[in-house]
Amino acid sequence: EIVLTQSPVTLSLSPGERATLSCRASQGINAGYIAWYQQKPGQAPRLLIHAASTRATGVPDRFSGSGSGTDFTLTISRLEPEDFAVYFCQQYGNSPMYNFGQGTKLEIK
Amino acid sequence: QVQLQQSGPGLVKPSQTLSVTCAISGDSVSSISAVWNWVRQSPSGGLEYLGRTYYRSSSKWYYEYALSVKGRITISADTSKNQFSLHLNSVTPEDTAVYFCTRGDIYRGVFRGFDFWGQGSLVTVSS
Repeated sequence: EIVLTQSPVTLSLSPGERATLSCRASQGINAGYIAWYQQKPGQAPRLLIHAASTRATGVPDRFSGSGSGTDFTLTISRLEPEDFAVYFCQQYGNSPMYNFGQGTKLEIK
Repeated sequence: QVQLQQSGPGLVKPSQTLSVTCAISGDSVSSISAVWNWVRQSPSGGLEYLGRTYYRSSSKWYYEYALSVKGRITISADTSKNQFSLHLNSVTPEDTAVYFCTRGDIYRGVFRGFDFWGQGSLVTVSS
């Protein structure tokens, strides 16, 4: 089973700053099949990115994804107040199971 | 617009069976461009993928389960009610979690992430 490790566990930034979140896989992910989700308290996760770099419908262009192989990154170019949340990566390339990373909490500094 | 509406008991006794149902509107449980999934979130916040069901044009239903719950889990689909269900037996307090149903979107054979989610069902396992 592929294990996804996200870093940092917590990221403290201010609105307007740039956020860089990392997701590392224990082995290479075929075709970059990584997705990113945002979750706010009391809500279901929301799909942001699929196929490592394709934004889902309605996602602002300040969100971008990149990476290949074992290393993937979610970047938020300029943080808005509503962006402070928990972010999860998910792989669906190498295993029949679509497992998740443990999450990164993006908090206001 | 796809909507997933979950229902099920919030409290289950240890050793019993946990059941949650997800009613679909705006799509079909037998769509060949979707995969219907269950995910749970522990009190500590981690997401755990449990399994899925999907239908393909070979007139076959598929059911696939995570190793962590294999042997205890059954996912079923009801085309007459356009819904799918999770059944987890022999539960323990470690199965206490928020359970989510979610749709996996398939476009031209390529998976594009879990784009619609149910509202979540908190299930507590306690005597």
